[in-house]
Amino acid sequence: QITLKESGPTLVKPTQTLTLTCTFSGFSVTTSGVGVGWIRQPPGKALEWLALIYWNDDKFYSPSLKNRLTIAKDTSDNQVVLTMTNMDPVDTATYHCAHSDWAAASSFDFWGQGILVTVSS
Amino acid sequence: SSVVTQTPSVSVAPGQTARITCGGQSIGDKRVHWYQQRPGQAPVLVIYDDRARPSGIPERFSASNSGNTATLTISTVEAGDEAHYFCQVWDATSDHLVVFGGGTTLTVL
Repeated sequence: QITLKESGPTLVKPTQTLTLTCTFSGFSVTTSGVGVGWIRQPPGKALEWLALIYWNDDKFYSPSLKNRLTIAKDTSDNQVVLTMTNMDPVDTATYHCAHSDWAAASSFDFWGQGILVTVSS
Repeated sequence: SSVVTQTPSVSVAPGQTARITCGGQSIGDKRVHWYQQRPGQAPVLVIYDDRARPSGIPERFSASNSGNTATLTISTVEAGDEAHYFCQVWDATSDHLVVFGGGTTLTVL
């Protein structure tokens, strides 16, 4: 059974750096074809892909945000960490992590419940 | 192009068929996935790789992808199908590796 859970601050100030952790179980991020992605959703709006890291440490970022994002995996603790610099109120959103697998055509087949991050002074 | 467009809303009566479209340049050449999101919940994958159904997804959910349009079809719509539906394009040839559509709200009348 695959589960993922996001953790981190729910309130950050403008210009601060956000660090979110995705803790997962039921799979290993060292298995060939497996990845973990981050997707966010502002209140009432659409999903927006942020970043994706694969078992072989290949990393991919949204072109519009790549200068602000860093994704990394900690295989020993079954975690993937996302950092986003220079936070702004427009970054207020629910941030989800999700499992991805080449076997499912790189779709996001399992999702965490998400964490609502508010950016405000 | 990285733009993927969805009709904002679709309404159908129970028992009818709902069709939700996802448009983009040459989207038929790319992999398309579909997600269902009920209010307050995380998205759920309902179709992957254009037309494949994950385990546990009813056969009422089907999809196709060709040319500039991908389509999610929900047959014999039930009240529980009322939700937001998002398409997602996977394009390994582009910097825009993953792009989500703006979402379609399905209302069951």
